[in-house]
Parts: sequence; structure tokens; C-alpha cells
Amino acid sequence: DVKVTQSSRYLVKRTGEKVFLECVQDMDHENMFWYRQDPGLGLRLIYFSYDVKMKEKGDIPEGYSVSREKKERFSLILESASTNQTSMYLCASLGGDQETQYFGPGTRLLVL
Amino acid sequence: QKEVEQNSGPLSVPEGAIASLNCTYSDRGSQSFFWYRQYSGKSPELIMSIYSNGDKEDGRFTAQLNKASQYVSLLIRDSQPSDSATYLCAVKGSGGSYIPTFGRGTSLIVHP
Repeated sequence: DVKVTQSSRYLVKRTGEKVFLECVQDMDHENMFWYRQDPGLGLRLIYFSYDVKMKEKGDIPEGYSVSREKKERFSLILESASTNQTSMYLCASLGGDQETQYFGPGTRLLVL
Repeated sequence: QKEVEQNSGPLSVPEGAIASLNCTYSDRGSQSFFWYRQYSGKSPELIMSIYSNGDKEDGRFTAQLNKASQYVSLLIRDSQPSDSATYLCAVKGSGGSYIPTFGRGTSLIVHP
């Protein structure tokens, strides 16, 4: 079974802090994604990566950056957290069939 | 802008009934269509994918695709309280893109 793990299930941070969210997948997938999910707004793509050190902006990249130094690990960075970044953050990887996305359990981030 | 539209619901059905969830999409060249189930506080999981016009059945679930009318639906037969969740429709567009566009989801409540 594909396993996608995220470093934290719940996180509380202060405004202005630098926040790291980590995602690891164990299936050697090339493509990985970061989404945020907010009530009424659905899933919105922040960034994705199609290979090590390669990244592309999604629909809402402002205020975020990403890092992919190893194939299995894709990190989302909030350079200076703000209250409007309070959200559920979901990482996903794309299976070898290039069709199925596998999601991690999510990180619920609260920025105070 | 590629759009995927779903009625947010909630859709409430009695146990044992058929639940019908609908999704329309704007990109006429879309090739791949997915239904994800998301329980409250959990991450989405893929339950059905469909690629050609017609019906695809998997247990109590049937996905229906009509590309001419640009809609895809999910039928759940013999609905159970455990089916209560939000159902996300996702569509992959044309042009070789592997990034799906998600609808905002329909909340389904199956009451005993």
C-alpha cells in the first residue's frame, strides 16, 4: 500500500513564525503536491513538484515556498505565518499510473 | 479557468436508498474523472475513476460519465450511515496535464 505521511497532525504557530510542513511518500513517486483545504473553498493547489529540485506554482502560491531535496520528501514552508494561513494542509503524491492521487492524513495548522 | 462544479449539499437520504451525486465540468477535452470520499477530519481517498462514456460499477458504487453533456455522477446503492461523508469530484483536463481540478465537494448524510 502507498503510504504518505505528514510530520504533524495539528500545529499551532504565532504570526510571523517560519513554519515547516513535511511530507514523505514511500512509493518512489515522481509527482508530489501541496494543497490547502478550507470550508466552502475546496482543495486548492499551492505547489507541486515533478522531480527532485523541480517545482511549479499552483493556484495560490503566495506566502508559501517548497523544497524537494530528495524524491520521497516534499516540504511546504510558510516564510512568515499569517492568520489567513490557518487551514488544513494536505500533501499528495501521484501514483505510477499518473492518475491516482494518494493523500497524506493532513496537518491542521492554526496561526494565532 | 477550468471549473468543476458540485452542489455543496447536504444531500440527505435514508438508509437503504440510492444517493445520487452530480458533477459538471467546463473543459470539454477532459479525459479522466475521479470520485474521492472524505470523512470529516480525514483526507480524501479515491473510490472511483472513469475514463469513457457510460457506467462503471464497483460494488455499491456506480460512476456515470457523459462527455457530451460534460457531467459525471456517482450513484451509491443501498446507502449506509457509514457512507456519510463529503464526496469530491476531480477532473483531469486535456493537454497531458496530470493535475486534477477538484470540485468543492458534496456533503452526503445517510440517516438511519
